[in-house]
Amino acid sequence: DAGVTQSPTHLIKTRGQHVTLRCSPISGHKSVSWYQQVLGQGPQFIFQYYEKEERGRGNFPDRFSARQFPNYSSELNVNALLLGDSALYLCASSVLGSGGQREQFFGPGTRLTVL
Amino acid sequence: GENVEQHPSTLSVQEGDSAVIKCTYSDSASNYFPWYKQELGKGPQLIIDIRSNVGEKKDQRIAVTLNKTAKHFSLHITETQPEDSAVYFCAALPPYGQNFVFGPGTRLSVLP
Repeated sequence: DAGVTQSPTHLIKTRGQHVTLRCSPISGHKSVSWYQQVLGQGPQFIFQYYEKEERGRGNFPDRFSARQFPNYSSELNVNALLLGDSALYLCASSVLGSGGQREQFFGPGTRLTVL
Repeated sequence: GENVEQHPSTLSVQEGDSAVIKCTYSDSASNYFPWYKQELGKGPQLIIDIRSNVGEKKDQRIAVTLNKTAKHFSLHITETQPEDSAVYFCAALPPYGQNFVFGPGTRLSVLP
């Protein structure tokens, strides 16, 4: 039973570069969310996509963008990288729980280091 | 918007003892509260959750309680084991939003 998968696992970039992170949700899950987790803190919401449409956006600059594909996989793009973008980027896929709320399952994350 | 606080930030217990982590939330309309366990180098793992129409939920050694009036919920781990050592995060889901708001985390160390 495959869980949420993310690639790559680690990435090193320099300031000003661009990065693309990828996520495949659990089979049957149509919603994907992206979070940024800085060391020592809880995950911070970046985007949520459902059925290929953006359903929510956190307080992140326009350098961050995302999209969802017909197979429900997703990409997170970050342009003009800054040192402060160094973090663990988490993807979570969601399904409605029995009570209507969304149970969210996380992937292992992509560790991005910006030098 | 929703704000979630979590205490303590670090917790050390002896193996076999109980551990309690507490979270408070600000938006009384939030209606779903999951708890995640994150081990080093891994993504958060959902361990238990509770909905706003339930006061308590138990799964083997783990339980969660919710006090809607006081706007706080707690994670209880009994008979702790060294493999329980990890960072634990609470979260709240506001009804108007699409995202979870996480607490800052609690680092639990279970000493053998």
